[in-house]
Amino acid sequence: SYEVAQPPSVSVSPGQTAIIPCSGDHLGNKYVSWYQQKPGQSPMLVIYEDAKRPSGIPERFSASNSVHTATLTIRGTQALDEADYYCQTWDSSTAIFGGGTKLTVL
Amino acid sequence: QVQLVQSGAEVKKPGASVMLSCKTSAFTLTNNYIHWVRQAPGQGLEWMGTFSPSGSSAGYAQKFQGRVTMTRDTSTSTVYMDLRSLRPDDTAIYYCARVHCSTSSCYTWFDPWGQGTLVTVSS
Repeated sequence: SYEVAQPPSVSVSPGQTAIIPCSGDHLGNKYVSWYQQKPGQSPMLVIYEDAKRPSGIPERFSASNSVHTATLTIRGTQALDEADYYCQTWDSSTAIFGGGTKLTVL
Repeated sequence: QVQLVQSGAEVKKPGASVMLSCKTSAFTLTNNYIHWVRQAPGQGLEWMGTFSPSGSSAGYAQKFQGRVTMTRDTSTSTVYMDLRSLRPDDTAIYYCARVHCSTSSCYTWFDPWGQGTLVTVSS
């Protein structure tokens, strides 16, 4: 079955750029979405169709997807960006989630 | 506004069944998929399945086939998930989430999500 992999954790200093990768076989041929989940809250969509931001999501959130890796980039990371981030794609009508990456803003 | 409101927390014994509900508002079930995703304590997101907008079919993750049934009631705009033969490792927060469909195709992302329902399975 298809799988996507994320690093368990990423740390960044406030104001710096956080980069969260999501890797999978030929992932670049699939659409990837990204979700932010803060403790005690439901996941929230931050990126859809590889690189599009829903209304209300700050411009510091951006993403790309190419070949085997999708990447979520958060520029000028703020303390309120500290959360778990999940990538998600589809394979044979099945939704596939990455294991999640805990972003720590030190 | 588009919203999914889920039923309250449940505590069940092993072997029992649980039925969760997800009441939708500000959109019609006939052109939206409602999916179910669960999250065990401290773990990631796990897709369970979905019920089609037409109401004619459901698609379940292989792991849950034979143990889960998803249904809907269009008169109350509510979707249900029934999970049977519960085990302690079914303890999780269960979310419903929408995938919107246009006239020509369905989107590929989940938005919005319900607030989640905690199901605890313990003897």
